[in-house]
Formats: sequence, C-alpha cells, structure tokens
Amino acid sequence: GEDVEQSLFLSVREGDSSVINCTYTDSSSTYLYWYKQEPGAGLQLLTYIFSNMDMKQDQRLTVLLNKKDKHLSLRIADTQTGDSAIYFCAERGTGFQKLVFGTGTRLLVSP
Amino acid sequence: NAGVTQTPKFQVLKTGQSMTLQCAQDMNHNSMYWYRQDPGMGLRLIYYSASEGTTDKGEVPNGYNVSRLNKREFSLRLESAAPSQTSVYFCASSEGRPQETQYFGPGTRLLVL
Repeated sequence: GEDVEQSLFLSVREGDSSVINCTYTDSSSTYLYWYKQEPGAGLQLLTYIFSNMDMKQDQRLTVLLNKKDKHLSLRIADTQTGDSAIYFCAERGTGFQKLVFGTGTRLLVSP
Repeated sequence: NAGVTQTPKFQVLKTGQSMTLQCAQDMNHNSMYWYRQDPGMGLRLIYYSASEGTTDKGEVPNGYNVSRLNKREFSLRLESAAPSQTSVYFCASSEGRPQETQYFGPGTRLLVL
C-alpha cells in the first residue's frame, strides 16, 4: 500500500538553511504536498509540486522531487524562529482525492 | 472567508458517551474529509465525502459515522466513545481538480476518559 516516511526531528540555527526529507512508495502519485502545522493549529498548505516537475521554488521555499528514488525534499532558506513547526509531506494516492500523510518532521529553530 | 471551521475546539467525554463534531466550509468546495491525528502517526483519514450526498470510508472508519448535511457542512459522530478515540480531529475540504489541495480546520481536541 501507499506509505510516506519522514524523519521525526530537525534542529537548526536561525539563518541557516533547513532541509526536510520525505520518501514515498506510490509511483503513481500525481501531486506531492508540504503542509506546516504550528502548535495548536490545523495544517496549512505551504506548497505542492506536480509529479512531472523536478523542482519548484517559492520565495524561501524550494521543493525538489526525485521521482526515480521517490524522494521529496523541502528546503527553507534563511530559517527563522517563526518557521519552528511540524512539517508534513503528503502524496495524492491512487484513491479518489485521497491524500496520504507522513508522520511529520518537527523543526526547531534556535536563535 | 472563514475557511474551514470546527466546533467544539475541545471536549472531554466519558467512555460510552456520544457526541457530534461539526465542520463547515465557506469556500464552495465539493469534497470534505475527516482525519484524526495521533502522536507519531501523522494524519489518518476516517471518512470523506466526494460531493454532497455521498460519503465513503477512509483508513480508520470503525466507531464513527458521518453526515454530509449539505454542501457546506460535514459532521462526524461518535456513538459510543472509547479511550482509543482520544485524539485531535481535523476536518478539511478540497478545491477542484487538478491538484485537489486540501484546506484544514483548526481541529477538535477530544479526550475520552
């Protein structure tokens, strides 16, 4: 079945770049997403990438997709303390409109 | 636009009690979803409604029922709550094709004693 995996935790210093990684198993994924969850809040869509793209850039965010290795990454440039949150990778699975989420990576940014 | 709203924000139940979690969206989305979030397990889909008048089971539907009251509202009912249903529940709705981006509500934190 479909599965999405992420590392649980990442710690960086303010001003550094952060790279959050994700692997997935469904080779028929059409869209892949990154969501951010701040404490006590719902998930907020950060960005998404279509499966025929290798890269997408949106201000401080860069998404890289290696479809051969089924690997997705999110790079946050000039990481700020306000970026501290849990980041979820998700793929659009083979079911109708179904999203499969990873377990989330908790990013901690220290001053 | 309020987006996706959920009520209540927090609830404590005793084992065996029932309750309904409410969700509404004002974005004119056709599809709506209920997820639960547990530590270390990401989000798991409970039920979804592809369009008004239809509902389908997700990954973990046991112990839950849903109603798609109209295009705006999608409720989740626990008929006889169990401690295993202690979780944070999120409602989401999605825009149309092609990317089907989902938008989430703020969540309902449920504690079953």
